[in-house]
Amino acid sequence: DAGVIQSPRHEVTEMGQEVTLRCKPISGHNSLFWYRQTMMRGLELLIYFNNNVPIDDSGMPEDRFSAKMPNASFSTLKIQPSEPRDSAVYFCASSSEVRGLLFGPGTRLTVT
Amino acid sequence: GENVEQHPSTLSVQEGDSAVIKCTYSDSASNYFPWYKQELGKRPQLIIDIRSNVGEKKDQRIAVTLNKTAKHFSLHITETQPEDSAVYFCAASKGGSYIPTFGRGTSLIVHP
Repeated sequence: DAGVIQSPRHEVTEMGQEVTLRCKPISGHNSLFWYRQTMMRGLELLIYFNNNVPIDDSGMPEDRFSAKMPNASFSTLKIQPSEPRDSAVYFCASSSEVRGLLFGPGTRLTVT
Repeated sequence: GENVEQHPSTLSVQEGDSAVIKCTYSDSASNYFPWYKQELGKRPQLIIDIRSNVGEKKDQRIAVTLNKTAKHFSLHITETQPEDSAVYFCAASKGGSYIPTFGRGTSLIVHP
């Protein structure tokens, strides 16, 4: 298995633009997580899906953030409109009951 | 909810020395304890994990111990090498598919 796949790896955009981050979890994993990491705030859980259903989205900062998981092999995190304070590394991770979270390579987002 | 405390926040050792990182957790229902290593600019990587029915687990130079009664678990790295330099995170959850609670991380520096 190629592991968790994320795209794009880097994204630079201007304030106010829409940003869409994509994730393909490991086949057979039934849980998917979106995290955000910054120096100031560390690793923050944004949203958790189990069997494609959003279970906990209490970490989503505000209505500008939305996430979907239309099927077991794909998820998106959308920011609309983006702001400079959204600049961070966004990680997608998937897991199964057998083993804990395996992280994707991350998307480094810069909003100018 | 679960609370995980991790100590120390920074650990500096000489190459060849041992390093120990300690974590405590609060929820007695937690039964899965993974450890992650994050090198600068890279994703957190799962390096070892332990379940509550096991007291110790080893993998080459790393080992984890778990004391369920005291609710603490530790990561031991022997014969440290410069490439062990990274931030290490402990975590606790009710299973691999569940949301883990992460410690705040330990920055390990191994001096050649």
